Amino acid sequence: DAKTTQPPSMDCAEGRAANLPCNHSTISGNEYVYWYRQIHSQGPQYIIHGLKNNETNEMASLIITEDRKSSTLILPHATLRDTAVYYCIVKTDGNKLVFGAGTILRVKS
Amino acid sequence: EAGVVQSPRYKIIEKKQPVAFWCNPISGHNTLYWYLQNLGQGPELLIRYENEEAVDDSQLPKDRFSAERLKGVDSTLKIQPAELGDSAVYLCASSLPGSRTDTQYFGPGTRLTVL
Repeated sequence: DAKTTQPPSMDCAEGRAANLPCNHSTISGNEYVYWYRQIHSQGPQYIIHGLKNNETNEMASLIITEDRKSSTLILPHATLRDTAVYYCIVKTDGNKLVFGAGTILRVKS
Repeated sequence: EAGVVQSPRYKIIEKKQPVAFWCNPISGHNTLYWYLQNLGQGPELLIRYENEEAVDDSQLPKDRFSAERLKGVDSTLKIQPAELGDSAVYLCASSLPGSRTDTQYFGPGTRLTVL
């Protein structure tokens, strides 16, 4: 399974952009990068996914490097409600999600 | 559209007692997953169903854990007997195969405490 590496924690000021990095240097050509987040006492929430191209939806933007070995999740205007654990996952064959420890994002006022 | 529904949300039992968790997936999603999440860690897959068939149960401790999805919709995960180490959050997720990337959507989980 392709593994991901994320910083254990990050802080962000409310209203500023939160940029969460992820390394996935062993990713294969047909494997997607997924991002989920988990707010305290809730189940993981799907945010966004991508293969090669940058992606944007109502929640976030995903920037994937050209060699696909790393990506960055961008929350353009972080709010206190974005405080959560963010998981970067490379989805394997059989639709298996292998979660790591994730990044704890703390948004501060 | 309703999301994945799980019940109960919380359960406290004494060790050696049985316990069951119920999951109702998103309507039309025929793939269902059960995950285990220990405190401070990411979720780990226990079992995956395609309709009624368990297609990946390699991580399910079969001596005490069992699961079923009789009509290909709702599912039940059971532990009998429960041990102290089973205290965790049990998450259910569902997805729609055949969609471009088969995204999994999670329920709120059941927090189990074994005393």
